[in-house]
Amino acid sequence: GENVEQHPSTLSVQEGDSAVIKCTYSDSASNYFPWYKQELGKGPQLIIDIRSNVGEKKDQRIAVTLNKTAKHFSLHITETQPEDSAVYFCAASFNNNDMRFGAGTRLTVKP
Amino acid sequence: GAVVSQHPSWVICKSGTSVKIECRSLDFQATTMFWYRQFPKQSLMLMATSNEGSKATYEQGVEKDKFLINHASLTLSTLTVTSAHPEDSSFYICSARLRELSFDTGELFFGEGSRLTVL
Repeated sequence: GENVEQHPSTLSVQEGDSAVIKCTYSDSASNYFPWYKQELGKGPQLIIDIRSNVGEKKDQRIAVTLNKTAKHFSLHITETQPEDSAVYFCAASFNNNDMRFGAGTRLTVKP
Repeated sequence: GAVVSQHPSWVICKSGTSVKIECRSLDFQATTMFWYRQFPKQSLMLMATSNEGSKATYEQGVEKDKFLINHASLTLSTLTVTSAHPEDSSFYICSARLRELSFDTGELFFGEGSRLTVL
């Protein structure tokens, strides 16, 4: 089955700096890679996703890159703000079946 | 985006009682819903996959008689923790998948989670 590894487990940045979170996956058949943001005491919220037929996707300050050959994908947040502080999870699946999550990254943006 | 409502958001119960958690897709039909368990500062652990009109598929190590799942309609799945014990205390989260699109990959939408505390 799929195995997803996520790094780093914690990340602290200064407001305005960029933050990068990286994930690797094991199953080459995986074709859907979402990223979720989870605030304390709440459920995860989808913030961006990418499918295997593209290498990069951007939505305002958030971007995701995918390297299928190396089986890794990354989340990039630019111009970070204190409200970006949360736990971020990457995930991987084949056609959204049997989605597996990374261990999570706790991002802290210091004002 | 689509909305998934989970209820209750928190519940405290005595050991030995049963607790039911509801997961509703409010503005879309979900043929498939998923139930997760999350321990503090840890990732989501898939417990079971719930398909409308059929029996749930449980992950290895999850007791199906302990965690009863019912998916009676396209908008509602329920998780019942039977004879709850303190070790069942956790944050339970559901997600719902949009009906399959023409080329699959229906997105997942998560509920807000339900925090269960068993005394």
